[in-house]
Amino acid sequence: GAVVSQHPSRVICKSGTSVKIECRSLDFQATTMFWYRQFPKQSLMLMATSNEGSKATYEQGVEKDKFLINHASLTLSTLTVTSAHPEDSSFYICSARSYSGWRGYTFGSGTRLTVV
Amino acid sequence: GEDVEQSLFLSVREGDSSVINCTYTDSSSTYLYWYKQEPGAGLQLLTYIFSNMDMKQDQRLTVLLNKKDKHLSLRIADTQTGDSAIYFCAESIPTGANNLFFGTGTRLTVIP
Repeated sequence: GAVVSQHPSRVICKSGTSVKIECRSLDFQATTMFWYRQFPKQSLMLMATSNEGSKATYEQGVEKDKFLINHASLTLSTLTVTSAHPEDSSFYICSARSYSGWRGYTFGSGTRLTVV
Repeated sequence: GEDVEQSLFLSVREGDSSVINCTYTDSSSTYLYWYKQEPGAGLQLLTYIFSNMDMKQDQRLTVLLNKKDKHLSLRIADTQTGDSAIYFCAESIPTGANNLFFGTGTRLTVIP
């Protein structure tokens, strides 16, 4: 079945540094990838939608200069949290969608970011 | 925006059936999904139903869709302790990037 690999699963970084999270579709080409943020005991909040080869579309209230998204190929999207602060600590999850809509959306295993 | 609502908590005894409910507001949804999230993990697709279907069964899972009432349910038969998790319903609507709209999640606790 469709598999999405997300790395790292857990990262701790210092305030002011940048962190890159990778999301790869392993056995299918993902035309569209989504990045979500999940706060403790809450649902997923869509941050941005990225299409291969074009700029990401950010949801209202999400700073595009802070959360840089790159979708350079049909199998890889990256989210870079720049100049991280403690309030950026959260669980980030990516999701990929293939050409075939019926396959639905496959999620990565998530990245727990802690900024100290 | 789209509203997808779920009750927050559900507790059942091991061996009983669990029914998790979901209501949504957009009638143009194409697919509706149920995802399972275990602590500290991503989302695992459990099952999905196309919007022109009323029911779908897959082993212990039964999905019922009442499109008129915009109500979706997931029934888990013979619930096991390993079923304890958060369950999200989600719908995709045919606009824009066909993003998923998630419910608030239902935390299922199975009591041994």
